[in-house]
Amino acid sequence: QKEVEQDPGPLSVPEGAIVSLNCTYSNSAFQYFMWYRQYSRKGPELLMYTYSSGNKEDGRFTAQVDKSSKYISLFIRDSQPSDSATYLCAMSHSGGGADGLTFGKGTHLIIQP
Amino acid sequence: EPEVTQTPSHQVTQMGQEVILRCVPISNHLYFYWYRQILGQKVEFLVSFYNNEISEKSEIFDDQFSVERPDGSNFTLKIRSTKLEDSAMYFCASSPAISRHNEQFFGPGTRLTVL
Repeated sequence: QKEVEQDPGPLSVPEGAIVSLNCTYSNSAFQYFMWYRQYSRKGPELLMYTYSSGNKEDGRFTAQVDKSSKYISLFIRDSQPSDSATYLCAMSHSGGGADGLTFGKGTHLIIQP
Repeated sequence: EPEVTQTPSHQVTQMGQEVILRCVPISNHLYFYWYRQILGQKVEFLVSFYNNEISEKSEIFDDQFSVERPDGSNFTLKIRSTKLEDSAMYFCASSPAISRHNEQFFGPGTRLTVL
């Protein structure tokens, strides 16, 4: 079983729609959860960062973490064509030290004008 | 806004040659990382670096890899004898103070092509 599972898509939605992106994971030691956006042939760009369970909102983006289900989500409201990109979930363990992130494979999102 | 920079953007090398990939992390960050992304696959952690020494490394980071912070600004990844399967995008990342050490900011990457 892979540590982090993410549907690669593509996910195509019309402009203005609410987008829901999800990841599941198997390692209960993960405590920090992140969403990155990656445009083609570019580096991942940090969008959202959450610690443990709960919700976090930043503008049009909402991140949700459900540790009991080992399930995280990113919602994008009022989606725009510029939101078209690959969205990567990433997570890491608690504790000290510089933990490497474990990434999902990414979901390719297309927002149709 | 400060950002991580990487050079070169694209490196082509022959199998068996040594390559050095360079990164300038964000200036007040304390933790530095290298990741790679083989085309079509997920981003994979290679190594983390703190206080001038390796903090954590993955099983990918074998003896052919090494990292160095030669001065106060640069952070390098050396691959001693490149293999065809080393062809990938290599990303450098950095993160700030200990309490936020998992908030990692990535550079634009170096595309390594091994022929």
